[in-house]
Amino acid sequence: AQTVTQSQPEMSVQEAETVTLSCTYDTSENNYYLFWYKQPPSRQMILVIRQEAYKQQNATENRFSVNFQKAAKSFSLKISDSQLGDTAMYFCVSGGGADGLTFGKGTHLIIQP
Amino acid sequence: GEEVAQTPKHLVRGEGQKAKLYCAPIKGHSYVFWYQQVLKNEFKFLISFQNENVFDETGMPKERFSAKCLPNSPCSLEIQATKLEDSAVYFCASSQSLSYEQYFGPGTRLTVT
Repeated sequence: AQTVTQSQPEMSVQEAETVTLSCTYDTSENNYYLFWYKQPPSRQMILVIRQEAYKQQNATENRFSVNFQKAAKSFSLKISDSQLGDTAMYFCVSGGGADGLTFGKGTHLIIQP
Repeated sequence: GEEVAQTPKHLVRGEGQKAKLYCAPIKGHSYVFWYQQVLKNEFKFLISFQNENVFDETGMPKERFSAKCLPNSPCSLEIQATKLEDSAVYFCASSQSLSYEQYFGPGTRLTVT
């Protein structure tokens, strides 16, 4: 069984600032994957970034990067130069098995102009 | 297609009525997943398919929920005798394999009155 914990229900930052969303997880799997998905008000789920647990190097995608600490089971998302369009719910997700993805409860990120 | 398609966008049913939701996965994706997102934003895994075979159904309330993925047809999720607590957004997602990210459809919002 897998669990994902996001301890920040809501965060608010000014445009252009850097923000870090926290996530911890627990899993008994040896091979697993971690993701951050974004859900704007449209409700569409959008993949932000993906990390294979067997890779030590932290994934980056343009302004988005992760800090993956496998031993601590921590997987935080850093958004640099935040933009108004980054306003959304962000879900930390683990997966890689037949039983689908396991979602955290989400962090509502608000980017203020 | 290049996107996961879900129909209908919205569905309203009276308590006790049947509801049927459809999902067309991305062409070439072997895996299909169904999730339920309730109003608190929490996601629950329902069922997964590998092609037309049920892969994992540990999340399905089997007494009222059923799902199929038949060849050359959209996948379907059916709820017999809907209850108020079934009100949620139902997402379908597809992936090439279990180690790849899942691509989500736009969801079907089910309202049970």
